[in-house]
Amino acid sequence: QQQVKQSPQSLIVQKGGISIINCAYENTAFDYFPWYQQFPGKGPALLIAIRPDVSEKKEGRFTISFNKSAKQFSLHIMDSQPGDSATYFCAASKRDSNYQLIWGAGTKLIIKP
Amino acid sequence: EADIYQTPRYLVIGTGKKITLECSQTMGHDKMYWYQQDPGMELHLIHYSYGVNSTEKGDLSSESTVSRIRTEHFPLTLESARPSHTSQYLCATRGPNSPLHFGNGTRLTVT
Repeated sequence: QQQVKQSPQSLIVQKGGISIINCAYENTAFDYFPWYQQFPGKGPALLIAIRPDVSEKKEGRFTISFNKSAKQFSLHIMDSQPGDSATYFCAASKRDSNYQLIWGAGTKLIIKP
Repeated sequence: EADIYQTPRYLVIGTGKKITLECSQTMGHDKMYWYQQDPGMELHLIHYSYGVNSTEKGDLSSESTVSRIRTEHFPLTLESARPSHTSQYLCATRGPNSPLHFGNGTRLTVT
C-alpha cells in the first residue's frame, strides 16, 4: 500500500519530442505528488508537484497529469531538450506521515540531439 | 544564500575505519533527512530528525548512526566501514510548507 511504481526504467527520446514517465500508487490517503529531477553528481531537485484536487498542472514545458480514479500520475516533458537528460523520480506523501516521501524507482531519460 | 552543505563530496576509505559524513544547513529548518542512493537508483531513507535531540531510523535498515545536537548540523557516522556501505549518501532538509531540499551528496567507497 505504501509503494509507488514508476515506469519506464529508462527512456530515450529524440530532441523536440515528448517524454512521458508514469507512476502508480495504491494508498488513497496520499495527497501530495512531486516529481524530482536529478543530474549526475547532484542531489535531486523539485521539478513540479501536484495535489489531487486538480487533474493537471503545467510549468513551462513540464506537465503533471493526475488521474485520481486510476491512482496514476505522469510527467510530460514537451519539446524535450538534451539538457533535460537526467534521472526523474516521482514520489507521494500524506499529511499523517508528516509528508514523508515514498519514492518511485526512477527513470533515466536520455534526449538524443 | 541559504543552502545545505555536505562534506566530503568523495571519500575512499579502508574497511574497519570510522567515518563521519557531515551535513549542515543555513535555512533554519527543523526537519532533516539522510538518504542512501546507489548512483541514479532509488532513494532509501535511512535516518531523519524533526528537531534538536530527535532522531529516528528510516525505512532502510542501516548500521550508521546520526545525531542532532544543533538545528543546523546532522552528521552521519559509521563506526566500522565495510564494502557493503559503498554508496552515495544524500542529506536533505524541509521547512514548513516547503519541499524537500537536497545537498549534492557524499560518494563513499569502502575498499
